[in-house]
Amino acid sequence: GENVEQHPSTLSVQEGDSAVIKCTYSDSASNYFPWYKQELGKRPQLIIDIRSNVGEKKDQRIAVTLNKTAKHFSLHITETQPEDSAVYFCAATVTGTASKLTFGTGTRLQVTL
Amino acid sequence: NAGVTQTPKFQVLKTGQSMTLQCAQDMNHNSMYWYRQDPGMGLRLIYYSASEGTTDKGEVPNGYNVSRLNKREFSLRLESAAPSQTSVYFCASVQTAISYEQYFGPGTRLTVT
Repeated sequence: GENVEQHPSTLSVQEGDSAVIKCTYSDSASNYFPWYKQELGKRPQLIIDIRSNVGEKKDQRIAVTLNKTAKHFSLHITETQPEDSAVYFCAATVTGTASKLTFGTGTRLQVTL
Repeated sequence: NAGVTQTPKFQVLKTGQSMTLQCAQDMNHNSMYWYRQDPGMGLRLIYYSASEGTTDKGEVPNGYNVSRLNKREFSLRLESAAPSQTSVYFCASVQTAISYEQYFGPGTRLTVT
């Protein structure tokens, strides 16, 4: 089955700096890669996703890049703000009727003032 | 729309007791999922239902059973709870014909003593 590894497990940045979180996946058939943000005590919520036919996707301050050859994808957050502090999870799946997500172990991002 | 709802929010069980976690969605989604979240381990898939009338095992199904009661509802049953099942349980759903974004419920925090 799919295996997703995520690094780093914790990340501390100063407000205004950029943050990068990296994930690798094992199944070359995986074609959908979402990123979820989870605030303390809350449910995970999708912040951005990318499909395998695209190399990069941006949404305001966040972007995701995908390297299919190397089987890795990354989340980039620019101009970080205190409200970006949360746990971020990457995931991968082969899309279909079931579309079972395999999640990474999470990155706790702390944005300090 | 309420989205994905879960009951109960919190539960404490003694070893050997049984209980059922309830999940319902009002978005007409075809696929539903049960995950458990443990510190440092991300979200792990317990069981899923790709469509009404079907259920399949995920990564960590031992000790659990599920029922897809109808298109809206997907329940998770612990027949004989063990301390190792202490976790936060999330239900999620998606309409895979339209999107692959999984929508999560608010979670159930279960403690088994």
